[in-house]
Amino acid sequence: DTEVTQTPKHLVMGMTNKKSLKCEQHMGHRAMYWYKQKAKKPPELMFVYSYEKLSINESVPSRFSPECPNSSLLNLHLHALQPEDSALYLCASSPLAGEENIQYFGAGTRLSVL
Amino acid sequence: AQSVTQLGSHVSVSEGALVLLRCNYSSSVPPYLFWYVQYPNQGLQLLLKYTSAATLVKGINGFEAEFKKSETSFHLTKPSAHMSDAAEYFCAVSDTGRRALTFGSGTRLQVQP
Repeated sequence: DTEVTQTPKHLVMGMTNKKSLKCEQHMGHRAMYWYKQKAKKPPELMFVYSYEKLSINESVPSRFSPECPNSSLLNLHLHALQPEDSALYLCASSPLAGEENIQYFGAGTRLSVL
Repeated sequence: AQSVTQLGSHVSVSEGALVLLRCNYSSSVPPYLFWYVQYPNQGLQLLLKYTSAATLVKGINGFEAEFKKSETSFHLTKPSAHMSDAAEYFCAVSDTGRRALTFGSGTRLQVQP
């Protein structure tokens, strides 16, 4: 099973709302990632968690707040977003053993900020 | 930093024709390279990976890629295109130090009937 599950699939929020994106995997992977993908562009890395600890933050604005409560779950908390934050948010996971860093992606959450 | 360049943002082929999507990498050490496919409104699916075990890599859906060190290339091919192959294809390289993937700009494949 190479499944990464993301919920919700679609989200519409106002600029004053607080919402959360959820990502779950049961492959025993100890690295999890958040990417942001704008239309017709490649995914851009936002955050990396290794062993449930934040290891990379790609200078993402503080209105995005990641959380990794356990080895299977990754959240992205959203607050006071801007319309330009509208995008597809992808979660991925990979094993930490080995150097290959083969990442498995979820289907994404399509976010619209009004 | 490692990077990949995809030549051609759009490629159009006829059904049954050869598919060739180009990717060149920039790395001073043997890289780990990947091809991912993204269908409309979906996430990324791993097509195949190069991890130095073999230079010709076979993936899913009849795709394969050949690692050529002399040309710093990792082009994706499929002998006969199918309508269902229409999608966005991304080449990616793994930055093992940062445990992050760096993606190319993507190539949109259109398959004409």
